[in-house]
Amino acid sequence: KQEVTQIPAALSVPEGENLVLNCSFTDSAIYNLQWFRQDPGKGLTSLLLIQSSQREQTSGRLNASLDKSSGRSTLYIAASQPGDSATYLCAVRPLYMGNNRLAFGKGNQVVVIP
Amino acid sequence: DVKVTQSSRYLVKRTGEKVFLECVQDMDHENMFWYRQDPGLGLRLIYFSYDVKMKEKGDIPEGYSVSREKKERFSLILESASTNQTSMYLCASSLTGTSTDTQYFGPGTRLTVL
Repeated sequence: KQEVTQIPAALSVPEGENLVLNCSFTDSAIYNLQWFRQDPGKGLTSLLLIQSSQREQTSGRLNASLDKSSGRSTLYIAASQPGDSATYLCAVRPLYMGNNRLAFGKGNQVVVIP
Repeated sequence: DVKVTQSSRYLVKRTGEKVFLECVQDMDHENMFWYRQDPGLGLRLIYFSYDVKMKEKGDIPEGYSVSREKKERFSLILESASTNQTSMYLCASSLTGTSTDTQYFGPGTRLTVL
């Protein structure tokens, strides 16, 4: 069974610092890996999706990398802002699951201190 | 833009009541999902549906049932609500087809069972 781990569960950074979030997964047989953002009391919003054949994806200040063979992904947020405060969830789509089912990590709760 | 809506943002029910949570998506997606989210436990899949009238159990189906009579609507039913079903409930939808298809989430329903 695919296990997705995100450590630490919570972290704080001063505004302007670069943010690095890590995700690890146990089974490298995946279609893709995604990073989601969740604001308190809200649903999830997809930030970046990396297909299994790709190494990274970028969107603005966000960059996500994927090392499938070692079961790791990193989300990098440059020059963090207070508006980046949220919970970030990593999810993989395993090959053995149909119907676009995802396996989620428990998230990194991020606070950017002004 | 894909839109997933949930019938209530907040709901308070009494133990033993029958509870209906409704989810509607407007993008003709085949797949729809119901999750619950609890602190420290992350997102857990309750049920999903891959077509009208088709459903499959997720990781924690006990105490829940679902209904999908129309493609755009997926209902979660708590037959006899209990206090341990107090949680945040999230609905999502997706296409099945390619490795770039993501899940789109609704805003969530915070259910409290007294």
